[in-house]
Amino acid sequence: ETGVTQTPRHLVMGMTNKKSLKCEQHLGHNAMYWYKQSAKKPLELMFVYNFKEQTENNSVPSRFSPECPNSSHLFLHLHTLQPEDSALYLCASSPGAQSVVETQYFGPGTRLLVL
Amino acid sequence: ELKVEQNPLFLSMQEGKNYTIYCNYSTTSDRLYWYRQDPGKSLESLFVLLSNGAVKQEGRLMASLDTKARLSTLHITAAVHDLSATYFCAGGTQGGSEKLVFGKGTKLTVNP
Repeated sequence: ETGVTQTPRHLVMGMTNKKSLKCEQHLGHNAMYWYKQSAKKPLELMFVYNFKEQTENNSVPSRFSPECPNSSHLFLHLHTLQPEDSALYLCASSPGAQSVVETQYFGPGTRLLVL
Repeated sequence: ELKVEQNPLFLSMQEGKNYTIYCNYSTTSDRLYWYRQDPGKSLESLFVLLSNGAVKQEGRLMASLDTKARLSTLHITAAVHDLSATYFCAGGTQGGSEKLVFGKGTKLTVNP
């Protein structure tokens, strides 16, 4: 595997379910990100982790719970979601070591549908 | 708070024509990124612009940055169908990990 991978690619869940999204990066980066992309809004940053520490929580509801066990893996735990949470969830990574250029590399995304 | 606005949001053009997508941002941003997204796919990095007057070119796409005007442009030269995609600009601030603020995207359709 190369680049940034995400699983599952598609997920359908009920509002009472608990599920998790997984992201893995194979780029040796130190920063990882979760974004939400929906039809109604621009790409929204949700969380940022730098060297496994959360450095940004962009006022995300607590029904979304991130976890970053190491610099290569990032999870997004989901519980009691609402239909308006249906969206494409994108993971990204970047060097994150105060490098000059911090281009973020995106995974393919998880298309989530909440019924 | 950084805000990023793109225009137009939708652009339909004929093959062989030239056009420009504009990206305005509201406050000082250390760097400006352009990304491409094909339908159903993820974002692909195109350019990163770091300083005033920066210009980068790749094939039929050329991006520029004017930090005084807080404006970046993505110029398309002699468009071809393969350029059909949604193009996003994003402003970022310098740091160990960067918080990017994206524009709404410009959906480009190049017609034969």
